[in-house]
Amino acid sequence: DIQMTQSPSSLSASVGDRVTITCRASQGISNYLAWYQQKPGKVPKLLIYAASTLQSGVPSRFSGSGSGTDFTLTISSLQPEDVATYYCQKYNSAPITFGQGTRLEIK
Amino acid sequence: EVQLVESGGGLVQPGGSLRLSCAASGFTFSSYWMHWVRQAPGKGLVWVSRINSDGSSTSYADSVKGRFTISRDNAKNTLYLQMNSLRAEDTAVYYCARRGDGVRAFDIWGQGTMVTVSS
Repeated sequence: DIQMTQSPSSLSASVGDRVTITCRASQGISNYLAWYQQKPGKVPKLLIYAASTLQSGVPSRFSGSGSGTDFTLTISSLQPEDVATYYCQKYNSAPITFGQGTRLEIK
Repeated sequence: EVQLVESGGGLVQPGGSLRLSCAASGFTFSSYWMHWVRQAPGKGLVWVSRINSDGSSTSYADSVKGRFTISRDNAKNTLYLQMNSLRAEDTAVYYCARRGDGVRAFDIWGQGTMVTVSS
């Protein structure tokens, strides 16, 4: 099975900072990579799919890139409401796999 | 409004059974693949199972294979997860999620239902 590894596991940054989270697949997955945001006590929300396509309604400060095995999620200017745990997911075929999550806090 | 609403969670003893339901509304349920995802307290997201749009094809995580069964009733717009031989490690919030049309990622999630396996 393909494993998804995120880094870092946790991150603290200041409002307005540029934040980058990485996700690495143990095998190539083309661009079948999604990013989700889960705020404390809330349901996961789809941010990005196909590695770089922004889901409707998601702020443009979020962006994704990558293909094959290495992917990144970037927040161009961190806002207080971005405090959450972020998960990558490979979804091309079963078994679907999530990364272990990156907890993002405000410094 | 597009919506998924889970039900059926609760407290069950080890070795017991439980059936979760996920009621869909606001979209053509029969056109979408559906998934179950779980999240143990304080832990990350773990995919459990998926079913295709007409129910003819299913897949499971190794951790639940042979114990859980996913199914759907398109006439009732409802997804199910039958969970047998439950273990303490199955304790989690269980979410149903829709695989988006064209998107293929999980674009709609239910609010989740808590399953606690304990004696």
